[in-house]
Amino acid sequence: TQLLEQSPQFLSIQEGENLTVYCNSSSVFSSLQWYRQEPGEGPVLLVTVVTGGEVKKLKRLTFQFGDARKDSSLHITAAQPGDTGLYLCAGDSQGGSEKLVFGKGTKLTVNP
Amino acid sequence: EPEVTQTPSHQVTQMGQEVILRCVPISNHLYFYWYRQILGQKVEFLVSFYNNEISEKSEIFDDQFSVERPDGSNFTLKIRSTKLEDSAMYFCASSLLAGGNTGELFFGEGSRLTVL
Repeated sequence: TQLLEQSPQFLSIQEGENLTVYCNSSSVFSSLQWYRQEPGEGPVLLVTVVTGGEVKKLKRLTFQFGDARKDSSLHITAAQPGDTGLYLCAGDSQGGSEKLVFGKGTKLTVNP
Repeated sequence: EPEVTQTPSHQVTQMGQEVILRCVPISNHLYFYWYRQILGQKVEFLVSFYNNEISEKSEIFDDQFSVERPDGSNFTLKIRSTKLEDSAMYFCASSLLAGGNTGELFFGEGSRLTVL
């Protein structure tokens, strides 16, 4: 069974601070996706990383896929209250499976 | 912007009752999914559907569950005889490509099912 562990589980920071959240596994994934989920809503896709070592930037968010395609990180620069939410990573299972395996998420709170 | 829509947003039912959750995927998408999220837990895969048939299902998706696409636009999840542990948020998702081929999934806002 492929598992994705996210850390930290909770993170509360002040506006303007930088932060990094992690998504780790002992399994190799074809790709990893990062989602953001607001309370009572569905996950919204932020980015997909496919190639080992890949770095993608989305404004103040930087996503990195590990060289071995077993882990990923999300770095937010100068966090804003609007960044508050649950950040989920999800991996494509290998072997042609269509399902995504989700981590439990990091709940981020950015205080003004 | 196209979106996945789900109804109802919240349904309360008695244990043993049948429930149907409905989804309208994005119109040109080919792959359809149901995921669920029990409160405080991970989002879990239930089933994928392509070309009018189930392409993959998880161990959660037992004989109590069924899916169909009755009219080419709606995609439904039926739970025949609900149990307390079926209480969860159920998310429908669709994608143009298969999820296993980095197809980007677009999720609906979810249907919260509460079984009493």
